[in-house]
Amino acid sequence: EIVLTQSPATLSLSPGERATLSCRASQSVSGYLAWYQQKPGQAPRLLIYDASNRATGIPTRFSGSGSGTDFTLTISSLEPEDFAVYYCQQRSNWPLTFGGGTKVEIK
Amino acid sequence: EVQLLESGGGLVQPGGSLRLSCTASGFAFSTYAMNWVRQAPGKGLEWVSIISGSGGTTIYADSVKGRFTISRDNSKNTLNLQMNSLRAEDTAVYYCAKDVKGGSYGYAQDYWGQGTLVTVSS
Repeated sequence: EIVLTQSPATLSLSPGERATLSCRASQSVSGYLAWYQQKPGQAPRLLIYDASNRATGIPTRFSGSGSGTDFTLTISSLEPEDFAVYYCQQRSNWPLTFGGGTKVEIK
Repeated sequence: EVQLLESGGGLVQPGGSLRLSCTASGFAFSTYAMNWVRQAPGKGLEWVSIISGSGGTTIYADSVKGRFTISRDNSKNTLNLQMNSLRAEDTAVYYCAKDVKGGSYGYAQDYWGQGTLVTVSS
């Protein structure tokens, strides 16, 4: 199965700062990568699918890029509600797999 | 408005069985593949299974293959997960989740239920 490695595990930033999250795949997933946000006690929320497509209702400060094995989620200017855990997921091969997550915390 | 509501979770002994259900509304249910994704307490997300819109295709994670069965009733807009031979490591919140695109299967998931907790313990 394809292993997704997210880095860093924790990102400590202040509101208004730029966040850059990384997801690396153990083999190429082409552009078939999604990003989710999860807050405590809530279900995950789809942010980006197929590497760079924002899901419905997602603010433009969230953007995704990359292809093959290296992907990035960028939050251009952190809002207070953006502090959460972020997961990447690949849909290139079965089984679908998720990365271990990056926690974005308030510095 | 899309809504997904899971039910059926609870406490079960190792080796026991449980059936989860997810009732969907607000979209053309039979057009979309549906997934189960689980999250052990304090851990990350693990995809469990998918079923195509027609129900003709099902795929499972190796960790549940042969023990879990996914099914759907498009006349009732309901998704099910029959879980047999449960183990302690199956303890998790189970989410049902809809594929973001219809007509095929294996996309990202854009709508998720609130989750139902399954605890496997003696």
